Amino acid sequence: DIVMTQAPDSLAVSLGERATINCKSSQSVIHSSNSKNYLAWYQQKPGQPPKSLIYWASTRESGVPDRFSGSGSGTDFTLTISSLQAEDVAVYYCQQYLITPITFGPGTKVDIK
Amino acid sequence: EVQLLESGGGLVQPGGSLRLSCAASGFTFSSYPMTWVRQAPGKGLEWVSGISAGTTFYADPVKGRFTISRDNSKNTLYLQMNSLRVDDTAVYYCARRYGDRNDYWGQGTLVTVSS
Repeated sequence: DIVMTQAPDSLAVSLGERATINCKSSQSVIHSSNSKNYLAWYQQKPGQPPKSLIYWASTRESGVPDRFSGSGSGTDFTLTISSLQAEDVAVYYCQQYLITPITFGPGTKVDIK
Repeated sequence: EVQLLESGGGLVQPGGSLRLSCAASGFTFSSYPMTWVRQAPGKGLEWVSGISAGTTFYADPVKGRFTISRDNSKNTLYLQMNSLRVDDTAVYYCARRYGDRNDYWGQGTLVTVSS
């Protein structure tokens, strides 16, 4: 199984400041056939289901604000919120979907400082 | 608009069974792989099962106890859960799979396994 880890467990950022979440996989999530990173990011607000933000490590879902960006390749990935807004308070999960079992990171809780 | 609506959750005793349903609308259901993901109270997300072009996949903790299926004529995804354990207690989400990631999620249905 591919083990996903995230850091930090939680962070508090002032409104308008940058938030950075790191995700690491225990093995590469690059598919040999297309060289794509099979890595997604999800946002989950309290009492709500997860929402897809980023896929292929860096492609934003339609409608996701451009303050959210994903980067990285292979085993190391980053989700950046360039200017934190109040509505961004949530738990963020990375997910590898290269192989089953599909696995998620433990989540990073983002709060306002 | 894509909509996924889970139902069938509830309270069940250890060793019991439940069948979850996920009614899909707003897209051509038969064209998409589908997934079940669960979240224990206060915990993270755990992939449970997936179905793709008739092939099924299961996480080790549920293999042999849970069965995923779909009825494309009814636009509905199912999860038959047998031999339920206390640690199966969770909100169960169905999610559409597109480009291999889960692009749309339902609101979830709570399964509580307790005596």
